[in-house]
Amino acid sequence: NAGVTQTPKFQVLKTGQSMTLQCAQDMNHEYMSWYRQDPGMGLRLIHYSVGAGITDQGEVPNGYNVSRSTTEDFPLRLLSAAPSQTSVYFCASTVRGTGGYTFGSGTRLTVV
Amino acid sequence: AQRVTQPEKLLSVFKGAPVELKCNYSYSGSPELFWYVQYSRQRLQLLLRHISRESIKGFTADLNKGETSFHLKKPFAQEEDSAMYYCALSWTGFQKLVFGTGTRLLVSP
Repeated sequence: NAGVTQTPKFQVLKTGQSMTLQCAQDMNHEYMSWYRQDPGMGLRLIHYSVGAGITDQGEVPNGYNVSRSTTEDFPLRLLSAAPSQTSVYFCASTVRGTGGYTFGSGTRLTVV
Repeated sequence: AQRVTQPEKLLSVFKGAPVELKCNYSYSGSPELFWYVQYSRQRLQLLLRHISRESIKGFTADLNKGETSFHLKKPFAQEEDSAMYYCALSWTGFQKLVFGTGTRLLVSP
C-alpha cells in the first residue's frame, strides 16, 4: 500500500491564481481530512469528509473548496490564492471509528 | 468548543533525563486523546492513543479527566526522541481531530 499520497510536494503560486492539491489513499478509509500547518499554530482543520459525496467545514475553510467523488480521492482547491494561504498542507485519512489518522507527506505552498 | 493546549513551545532536556510534555484539553463530553509525532523531514505519525493504553518507544500517557490533561511521559529521553509532538483530541465517531500547537522536544547528548 502507498498509504496517503499528496501531490505536488512543492508549489509556488502568484496571488489570484487557482490550483488543486491532490490527495489519494489506497487503504479504503472512509474519513479524510485536510489540515494546514503554520509555525506556532499547529495543525488546523480546513475541511473533512466522512465518505464519498459528504464533506464539511473545519476550523479554517475560507478560501478552500473540496469534493469527494470517490472513496480514494479528496482534492483541495484554492480558488484565488492569497499570501495568507502560504503554508504546509497535510491530507490524512482513517478507518471509520478508529481515530488513528494516517498522514500524507505534505505539500509546501508559497503564494507570492 | 473543543480545544487542546500545549503550553510549551520548546522543551530541551539532556539524554537520560525524564521527559513530560504537557497537554490540556477542553471538551465537555467523553474525549478521545492522541499523541502524534513528527520527526525532522518526515510525516506526522501516530505515537499513541489513550484508549489502547499502550506504551510506544517508552512513552506513556494517562488521561486525567479531573485535570483534563493527557501529558506524555518518558523516564529516560534518547537523542532520537527529538521531534515535534502534537496532542490531539477527538470524540464520538472520530470524524474530526483537533490539534494543539505542538511542543518541540530537543534531547541533547
